Amino acid sequence: DSGVTQTPKHLITATGQRVTLRCSPRSGDLSVYWYQQSLDQGLQFLIQYYNGEERAKGNILERFSAQQFPDLHSELNLSSLELGDSALYFCASTRASGFLDTQYFGPGTRLTVL
Amino acid sequence: DAKTTQPTSMDCAEGRAANLPCNHSTISGNEYVYWYRQIHSQGPQYIIHGLKNNETNEMASLIITEDRKSSTLILPHATLRDTAVYYCIVRKNYGGSQGNLIFGKGTKLSVKP
Repeated sequence: DSGVTQTPKHLITATGQRVTLRCSPRSGDLSVYWYQQSLDQGLQFLIQYYNGEERAKGNILERFSAQQFPDLHSELNLSSLELGDSALYFCASTRASGFLDTQYFGPGTRLTVL
Repeated sequence: DAKTTQPTSMDCAEGRAANLPCNHSTISGNEYVYWYRQIHSQGPQYIIHGLKNNETNEMASLIITEDRKSSTLILPHATLRDTAVYYCIVRKNYGGSQGNLIFGKGTKLSVKP
């Protein structure tokens, strides 16, 4: 158990819909990273937040957005969903925002878009 | 970040040492070698990291060649629970805010009874 929690575990929805994935970092961790893992693309970095502020962006679509709240949990919002958005979504947390911090991953949310 | 090359898959007998190679011939002096693994659709799990010296922890050992162009992750006594995809990742050492991991395809290790 990494100490990072993600909800829900599974999500099934239809094309065009909007969903919200939630991540609670380990106690004391200030930084949250979001990753997407699809069959054809592998694990891809989406976005990072540190202490409430966006810190880095990766291959995140404009239909996707995220935020980190004062209690440090983070939410990833996916809208206008397409079949290709079906994937595993992981969040990871670190103590700080730096390059050498070990990232602890949550168990993921499996999103299925029908 | 430097590119890494890993074999697509490997087999290992249970109880034997699993040696997973990684080539990172373009690594620069301030880049670290990290290893993570992912057990069947679970979240990736940190294993070990190093700069130039060999490292050992309770999970594994990391051997980095003197020229730092390759490394080997060693699981000393592989068990069936070590069956996973193992990712070798090279990370830059720079002050700044971008700390995301760049995953390649990794090595699928199958530990067999």
